[in-house]
Amino acid sequence: QSVLTQPPSVSGAPGQRVTISCTGSSSNIGAGYDVHWYQQLPGTAPKLLIYGNSNRPSGVPDRFSGSKSGASASLVITGLQAEDEADYYCQSYDSSRYYVFGTGTKVTVL
Amino acid sequence: QVHLQESGPGLVKPSETLSLTCTVSDGSISNYYWNWIRQPPGKGLEWIGLIYYTGSTNYNPSLKSRVTMSVDTSRKQFSVRLSSVTAADTAVYYCARGDDSSGFYYVDYWGQGILVTVSS
Repeated sequence: QSVLTQPPSVSGAPGQRVTISCTGSSSNIGAGYDVHWYQQLPGTAPKLLIYGNSNRPSGVPDRFSGSKSGASASLVITGLQAEDEADYYCQSYDSSRYYVFGTGTKVTVL
Repeated sequence: QVHLQESGPGLVKPSETLSLTCTVSDGSISNYYWNWIRQPPGKGLEWIGLIYYTGSTNYNPSLKSRVTMSVDTSRKQFSVRLSSVTAADTAVYYCARGDDSSGFYYVDYWGQGILVTVSS
C-alpha cells in the first residue's frame, strides 16, 4: 500500500556517496508535507535519521543528509561506511489523512 | 530516554482479534502521539494508526474498519485491537512515539517490536 516509491537497493564502496530517492505525488510530498527518513539495521527497530526533510537528530553523523524538491525527496550518505548497511525508509503524510512510508531501500556496502 | 515495550500474544487464530499493549517508561505519555506500525516478514513498514494522549485517533484508511486504539494515561499504556485477522496480518508490530513539538511531526522512539503470527 506504499505510495512513496524508493529504489529496492543501492550499493557503494566504502567512502563513496550514495543517494536514495523517495518519489511521491501531489497528495503527499508534492502537497508540501514533510519527509522523514528512518534507518533499520538488521533485526532491529527503525531509528529516526532525518526529520523535517533535512534535519538530523542529535547523534546522527553528518554524513547523512536529506533534501526535498517538488514531489520527491532524497537521502544522501557521503563517505559510506560498513555500519551504514541497512534498510532505509522515507515517510510522509498523505492528504487522505494518514501517514505513509516508502517502499524501502536496502543499502549494501561493497 | 523514553522506553517503549510491546506485549501481547504472539499467536492469533484467523478471524479472531489481535490485541497488543505498549507500556511507556522513563518519559511522559502526555503531549505526544502514540503510534502502531507493522512490518510483515521481509517487507516494508505500514502505519496502522495513532492515538493522542487525549484519546483522539487517526487510523490508516485501509485498516480503519478493523482497528481500535485506546490509551490509559494513568498506567502509561496504549493499546491496539485488530479484528477479523487473516494470515496477511502476520507481522512485527511496533509501538512508537510521535512528536510535533519542533514544528515537524515525526516518530522518534520505537519499541523493539513483537512478532504476531496469524495461524490456526
